Amino acid sequence: QKEVEQNSGPLSVPEGAIASLNCTYSDRGSQSFFWYRQYSGKSPELIMFIYSNGDKEDGRFTAQLNKASQYVSLLIRDSQPSDSATYLCAVNSGGGFKTIFGAGTRLFVKA
Amino acid sequence: SAVISQKPSRDICQRGTSLTIQCQVDSQVTMMFWYRQQPGQSLTLIATANQGSEATYESGFVIDKFPISRPNLTFSTLTVSNMSPEDSSIYLCSVQEGFGQYFGAGTRLSVL
Repeated sequence: QKEVEQNSGPLSVPEGAIASLNCTYSDRGSQSFFWYRQYSGKSPELIMFIYSNGDKEDGRFTAQLNKASQYVSLLIRDSQPSDSATYLCAVNSGGGFKTIFGAGTRLFVKA
Repeated sequence: SAVISQKPSRDICQRGTSLTIQCQVDSQVTMMFWYRQQPGQSLTLIATANQGSEATYESGFVIDKFPISRPNLTFSTLTVSNMSPEDSSIYLCSVQEGFGQYFGAGTRLSVL
């Protein structure tokens, strides 16, 4: 069983729509959860982190965490073509700094 | 966030040779990480490099193949030794800052 699972996509949404990206993880001891965005040919960049159950909003981005269901999601409101990228879900376990990355979901926002 | 300079940005190497990748950070950081990313795949952690101690390698990666140096709090190197075509990949260094990691631009390695 993969430790961090994501649908590889591609997920295609029209411009202005809400993009919903999902992630599940296997380690119930995981404490910190991250979303990274990676443009083609570039390195990942951190866009959101969350460590408490519920929602965390930052601009057009909302991260949602449900530890009971071992589920993390990222919502992108008013999607723009510039949001087209691969989104990596990442999880830290047990208070350490070792981060496990999911395989990523490719998002395409159509103009 | 920390600014990370990684070099070389790309290289083409012959089988059996070695390549050293450098990672320079503009501030002192305790933990640095080295990852490998195959095309279209996610990041795989090679090792964690802490200043003043031996690097901690993940399963499937060994020091003889991927020796790491961490001489101070702003610099680290990863060497890919005795390369084969299977080592062709993107290699990334990153640093832990606050709650997340920040990455260098990566080194795209092709082994012929």
